[in-house]
This record gives sequence, C-alpha cells and structure tokens, in this order.
Amino acid sequence: LAKTTQPISMDSYEGQEVNITCSHNNIATNDYITWYQQFPSQGPRFIIQGYKTKVTNEVASLFIPADRKSSTLSLPRVSLSDTAVYYCLVGDEPRGANNLFFGTGTRLTVIP
Amino acid sequence: EPEVTQTPSHQVTQMGQEVILRCVPISNHLYFYWYRQILGQKVEFLVSFYNNEISEKSEIFDDQFSVERPDGSNFTLKIRSTKLEDSAMYFCASSDATGPYEQYFGPGTRLTVT
Repeated sequence: LAKTTQPISMDSYEGQEVNITCSHNNIATNDYITWYQQFPSQGPRFIIQGYKTKVTNEVASLFIPADRKSSTLSLPRVSLSDTAVYYCLVGDEPRGANNLFFGTGTRLTVIP
Repeated sequence: EPEVTQTPSHQVTQMGQEVILRCVPISNHLYFYWYRQILGQKVEFLVSFYNNEISEKSEIFDDQFSVERPDGSNFTLKIRSTKLEDSAMYFCASSDATGPYEQYFGPGTRLTVT
C-alpha cells in the first residue's frame, strides 16, 4: 500500500475554496486515489475517487498530475458544515474485498 | 438513499463480558467490513467479509473477535472477554462489486468497557 502524506490541519474562511494536497510518491500503476470525509462521531463518507487528470462531482474536484505522485482535493466555497477530517487513501482494485487503511487525515476547520 | 445501520449506538459493558455489535448493510451489497476508531485516533481496519467468509483480517482481529452473517440482512461483530482497550467507536461498512473504494459506513457503535 502506498504511504500518503497530508497536512495535519487547515483553517479556511467560509466561502473560500479549499485545496488539500496529498503526497503519495510510491503510488503503483494500479492504484486509485480516494478521498473520504469524517465528521465528529460519524463514520467516514466517500467523497471522490480518481486515477488520473481531473475528476469532478457535486461535492468536490480531484486533481491528479501526470506523475500521480500527489493529488489535490478541491472543495469550492466551503461552509461551516464542511468542517471535518479529510482522508486521502491510495490502493489498488483487486477483485474481492478492498480494505481501507486510513491515515491521520487533514482536519479542516471552517471559520465564519 | 439506502444506508448502513448499526445497533446499539452506545454499549457499556464490564471488562470480561462479551458484546455483540450489530449492523445491517445496504441490501444489495456483497462486501462487509468492520473498522474501529479509538477516541482521537485514526480509523483502523479490522476485518472484511465476502461470500460468507472472512476475506482479510488485521492484526487487531485476534481470537477475541469473530464476525457472522446470521441471516440475509445482519452482519455482527462479537467481542469475547472485552478489555479496557477495546473501548472505541466501531464502524460497519459495506460495498458492492462495482465500487472498490466506495464503502458506505454506518453511524458507529460506541463501545465503553469499564
């Protein structure tokens, strides 16, 4: 499993765009990059997944450069309710169960 | 939107007692998981389950733990002879065959061992 490194914490004002970068220098050819969000006292929630270039959904965008050694989760115009821990995970897609290995994540605090 | 449910939301037990944590995964999902999160720490994988058997388990998942899918809807985690250090939030998750990393987590059961 590729090791990931992301900032421990970030602060942002409401309405701003937030970019959280994750480093995964040892990412393997078959690895996907996935981001989860966790609110206090709740289970993690899938946000977005990508393999290369850019992926966008209704919640966020994920930017992956050509070398795939890092990725950036972009949250547009954050609100107070986006305060959470954000996890970057990297792993392949073998047939069968795919177990998630969470790091410490990035604690995002949105300030009014 | 379908969701994973877990019961109870909070369980208090005495050291040495057995507990069973229950989960109802999303109905058409095939893969089931248990994770735990000790207060203030990261989410840790315990075990995955597919086709009525354990697919993979972590070092944490020793003989004290067992999982079962007793019927078509429930997925349980049994902890025998609980220890103080088993106090944690336990999350159940499920996924289907097409979303390898899109696991759907339940709200968790907070286990407190006294």
